[in-house]
Amino acid sequence: ILNVEQSPQSLHVQEGDSTNFTCSFPSSNFYALHWYRWETAKSPEALFVMTLNGDEKKKGRISATLNTKEGYSYLYIKGSQPEDSATYLCASRSNDYKLSFGAGTTVTVRA
Amino acid sequence: DSGVTQTPKHLITATGQRVTLRCSPRSGDLSVYWYQQSLDQGLQFLIQYYNGEERAKGNILERFSAQQFPDLHSELNLSSLELGDSALYFCASSPPRTGDTEAFFGQGTRLTVV
Repeated sequence: ILNVEQSPQSLHVQEGDSTNFTCSFPSSNFYALHWYRWETAKSPEALFVMTLNGDEKKKGRISATLNTKEGYSYLYIKGSQPEDSATYLCASRSNDYKLSFGAGTTVTVRA
Repeated sequence: DSGVTQTPKHLITATGQRVTLRCSPRSGDLSVYWYQQSLDQGLQFLIQYYNGEERAKGNILERFSAQQFPDLHSELNLSSLELGDSALYFCASSPPRTGDTEAFFGQGTRLTVV
């Protein structure tokens, strides 16, 4: 049973369009929220690590926000490109050091 | 290349057998995590070690065990293998800095139990 939930499970977006998706996690015992990008046949690579409520981080066209009080984070992709196609994983680290992953949101960008 | 090395890359074995998966973390990283990814499942946390000691435990079966050695490499032992144990097993490591830090993943070991 995953206590880190991601939605939607998958989405298709037209090249040039922007999109966003959600990660929800237990707000109790929270320490940090991670986002990873996982391309087919590769291993996950970190995008962001956020710890503070209201944190916003940005890397190029990808950004993320964090709400620790209500237990959710959004990942945004602005002006999607085919190379953004991947599975995006979020992971919640709790105070007992566990790093638990969600099932991911698979993004397919159509040219 | 993340700097985390997992061996072997692929493993095919029969039910009832025992296998050992090996992970070498990035130089300087003290934490090692093991994850299992089965078909249609996300990454399931198995266990974490920090500097040789078990730090956190997830839904790891009793048939599975792990350890981290003084040189910080880690091994995941899977015994009495069942068909359902077929999965991609990832190892990740993270550095000992204060504050939270990202995990760096190896390429995974694909285990097929036949």
